[in-house]
Amino acid sequence: GAVVSQHPSWVICKSGTSVKIECRSLDFQATTMFWYRQFPKQSLMLMATSNEGSKATYEQGVEKDKFLINHASLALSTLTVTGAHPEDSSFYICSVTSGTSGSNEQFFGPGTRLTVL
Amino acid sequence: LAKTTQPISMDSYEGQEVNITCSHNNIATNDYITWYQQFPSQGPRFIIQGYKTKVTNEVASLFIPADRKSSTLSLPRVSLSDTAVYYCLVVLSGGYNKLIFGAGTRLAVHP
Repeated sequence: GAVVSQHPSWVICKSGTSVKIECRSLDFQATTMFWYRQFPKQSLMLMATSNEGSKATYEQGVEKDKFLINHASLALSTLTVTGAHPEDSSFYICSVTSGTSGSNEQFFGPGTRLTVL
Repeated sequence: LAKTTQPISMDSYEGQEVNITCSHNNIATNDYITWYQQFPSQGPRFIIQGYKTKVTNEVASLFIPADRKSSTLSLPRVSLSDTAVYYCLVVLSGGYNKLIFGAGTRLAVHP
């Protein structure tokens, strides 16, 4: 399966600042990546679908101007949390999919723990 | 996407077989049933996927009845390291389809 990395693994920032999280597909050309958010003791919530070379598709209720997604290459997608607030503190996880017909296996990154003070 | 329902939590002991059942009454013809495992502070990991009858791999078995309105993930002889959250998902076949996670089942394996 695909190997996915995220950087940083954890980050602490002050309220009002911006934070960039990177998601890399190390051995696989990922035309599509997904971004999820997970609060403690809760399930994963899909935030957006990141498409290489085009604009991301955001899920309902996710502010596209606050969570900026850039997918400039087949190996890298970035999520920038702008004007972070304490309520943005969460575990952010990305995934890639092979897109193979009949298979929907997604390969997830290790996640990034964001804490906004 | 079909909604899934599974128990919030389960407890088991080392060496026992664990069966987690998921209901998906509104599953569509082109939907597959997929299970993921997630440990604390990690991304989910794919366990198994099936369309009908039985699928088995080195980790688990997946049983799907003929009407496909439910499925059962079977973990043989669990160990402490199987303590995790298990998610049942119904996924449209093929392509770059997004996953919608439900609440999952929190499995605790005791010594």
